[in-house]
Amino acid sequence: DTGVSQDPRHKITKRGQNVTFRCDPISEHNRLYWYRQTLGQGPEFLTYFQNEAQLEKSRLLSDRFSAERPKGSFSTLEIQRTEQGDSAMYLCASSLAGQGVQYFGPGTRLLVL
Amino acid sequence: GESVGLHLPTLSVQEGDNSIINCAYSNSASDYFIWYKQESGKGPQFIIDIRSNMDKRQGQRVTVLLNKTVKHLSLQIAATQPGDSAVYFCAEDWAGTYKYIFGTGTRLKVLA
Repeated sequence: DTGVSQDPRHKITKRGQNVTFRCDPISEHNRLYWYRQTLGQGPEFLTYFQNEAQLEKSRLLSDRFSAERPKGSFSTLEIQRTEQGDSAMYLCASSLAGQGVQYFGPGTRLLVL
Repeated sequence: GESVGLHLPTLSVQEGDNSIINCAYSNSASDYFIWYKQESGKGPQFIIDIRSNMDKRQGQRVTVLLNKTVKHLSLQIAATQPGDSAVYFCAEDWAGTYKYIFGTGTRLKVLA
């Protein structure tokens, strides 16, 4: 499968713990996006990278959230000191710069107890 | 599996009929629009896109219509099949950054 992959697919954690998610984009795609989706809602933009540079961050991305894409390939999203309100599906997408279509991964479902 | 959306607007259609899903977008300056299909427990899947210099674009069994005057998009699915059952989202490219702003979503149920 050469699509976007995400790991883990599911994560259950206790409030206050740190979690890290990984996204592997389609290999030739230089743009990578993170979105968050809660039940009954469409995905909400969090941040995106072009190659290794993080170009934009949403105000939804509090100081507890950090994302990296160190070599311009895979990306990680870390949430520190998780809160119950962080429970959501975290989606990653990738695209070629200048092309509109973003291809999404299967998501990581986070549940904070 | 998990439910994508528990309280979404729902469109129920008979198998074989045509479906029309509507969407209102926010920014008159948006110049690119896209439709996604999302099945339970999965990420959004690309269906069709359209740029603002077009009014209509057709794909396989799907057509997207864009009305910039009233900031409205629609997705038409011909001969709806059981496999089309899913939640459908439209998204607009905000300010040309390819940062998508998604609409609320519509659940499509195909009745046998």
